[in-house]
Amino acid sequence: QSVLTQPPSVSAAPGQKVTISCSGSRSNIGKNYVSWYQQLPGTAPKLLIYDNNKRPSGIPDRFSGSKSGTSATLDITGLQTGDEADYYCGTWESSLSAVIFGGGTNLTVL
Amino acid sequence: QVQLRQSGPGLVKPSQTLSLTCAISGDSVSSNSAAWNWIRQSPSRGLEWLGRTYYRSKWSNDYAVSVKSRITINPDTSKNQFSLQLNSVTPEDTAVYFCARGDQAIDYWGQGTLVTVSS
Repeated sequence: QSVLTQPPSVSAAPGQKVTISCSGSRSNIGKNYVSWYQQLPGTAPKLLIYDNNKRPSGIPDRFSGSKSGTSATLDITGLQTGDEADYYCGTWESSLSAVIFGGGTNLTVL
Repeated sequence: QVQLRQSGPGLVKPSQTLSLTCAISGDSVSSNSAAWNWIRQSPSRGLEWLGRTYYRSKWSNDYAVSVKSRITINPDTSKNQFSLQLNSVTPEDTAVYFCARGDQAIDYWGQGTLVTVSS
């Protein structure tokens, strides 16, 4: 059972928008930056968002992140079939001095 | 461009030690701004951070509570790499193991190594 809570799955049609939530607590999301990762089948996770809302070079602006209090969200607009993947949130857990991840959300583009 | 290349056996017997190495190119294990992590992934445990090593005027480590009594992560400055040792493994340690760079956000990942614990 992960410390960060994500919905197991979300789905939307091509071209639409989807939001993935990540719920934590004061000692993790409440105090630290949130990052988001995309994992395609059989590959390593890829950093999509860091420091709550920053995109690494090469990540399209269809992907955006935000944080409020002890929760964070990842928005994906203009959905494409290639966006079908598992998405994970991550942050630092101050009480444990450890990196923690959410349980992951499987995105289906219908 | 940072690249991380993992090596090590894919099969380990129960009670033995799991050992993996991660060779770094495009950065230095002694960097004052990076941390070098081991993360594993299994269907039952999801993505699980195991620990990290980093240099900030001196070498330090952080380890996950779940493996703290069994894990060692060491840098090797002569080869610009770092290693994972996990002692007394059980079938529950079967997972894909990743080395990765990052402090709070993990920005570069190795290719992953499936390690199976079985006799």
